[in-house]
Amino acid sequence: NAGVTQTPKFRVLKTGQSMTLLCAQDMNHEYMYWYRQDPGMGLRLIHYSVGEGTTAKGEVPDGYNVSRLKKQNFLLGLESAAPSQTSVYFCASSYPMIGTGGTYEQYFGPGTRLTVT
Amino acid sequence: KNQVEQSPQSLIILEGKNCTLQCNYTVSPFSNLRWYKQDTGRGPVSLTIMTFSENTKSNGRYTATLDADTKQSSLHITASQLSDSASYICVVSAYSSASKIIFGSGTRLSIRP
Repeated sequence: NAGVTQTPKFRVLKTGQSMTLLCAQDMNHEYMYWYRQDPGMGLRLIHYSVGEGTTAKGEVPDGYNVSRLKKQNFLLGLESAAPSQTSVYFCASSYPMIGTGGTYEQYFGPGTRLTVT
Repeated sequence: KNQVEQSPQSLIILEGKNCTLQCNYTVSPFSNLRWYKQDTGRGPVSLTIMTFSENTKSNGRYTATLDADTKQSSLHITASQLSDSASYICVVSAYSSASKIIFGSGTRLSIRP
C-alpha cells in the first residue's frame, strides 16, 4: 500500500495564479483532510470530507476550495494565490477507531511545499 | 477555547540521554491524545494514542503518559538516538468530531553525538 500520496511535492506560484493539489489514499478511508503547516504553529485544518461527494470547512478555509468526487481522492484548489498562502500543505485520511467514542487515527501524506511570490 | 500547548519549544540533548516532552491541553469534550513524530520534510507519523481511561502507552523507547484530571501529557524518550531528531507533536481530539482535532506547535528535538 502506498498510503497517502500528494502531488506535487513542490510548487512556486505567482500572486493571482491558480493551482490544484492532489491527495490520494489507498486505504479505503472515509475521512480525508487538508491542513497547512506554518512555522511556529500547529497544523491547521483547511477543509475536510467525511465521505465521497461531501466536504466541510475547517478552521482556515478562506481562499481554498475542495472536491471529493472519488472516495480515494481529495483535491485542494487555490483560486487566486496570495503570498499568505505560502505554506506546507498536508493531506491526511482516517478511519474511526472502534470502541473509542469516535476517535480517528490519521495517516498523513508527505506534504506539498508551496511558495507564492 | 480549545488549545494544545507544548513545552519546551526546542531541546538539544546528547545521544544516549533521556528526555521528557510536555503537553497541556484544554480540548473538550476530550476523546483521545496522540503523539506524532515529524521528521524534517515529512508528514507526521503516529507514535502513541491514548483515550481517557489510559494513563500510559509505550512504543519501543517512547512512553507517553496522560493525566486526564490535570489535562497534561508527557512523552518520555529513553536512550535517545540520532534518528530521534525530529519535531514531536501533541494532538488532542474532541469526542465524536472529525474536525475538532487540535495540534500543538511541537517540540523540536535535536540529538547531538
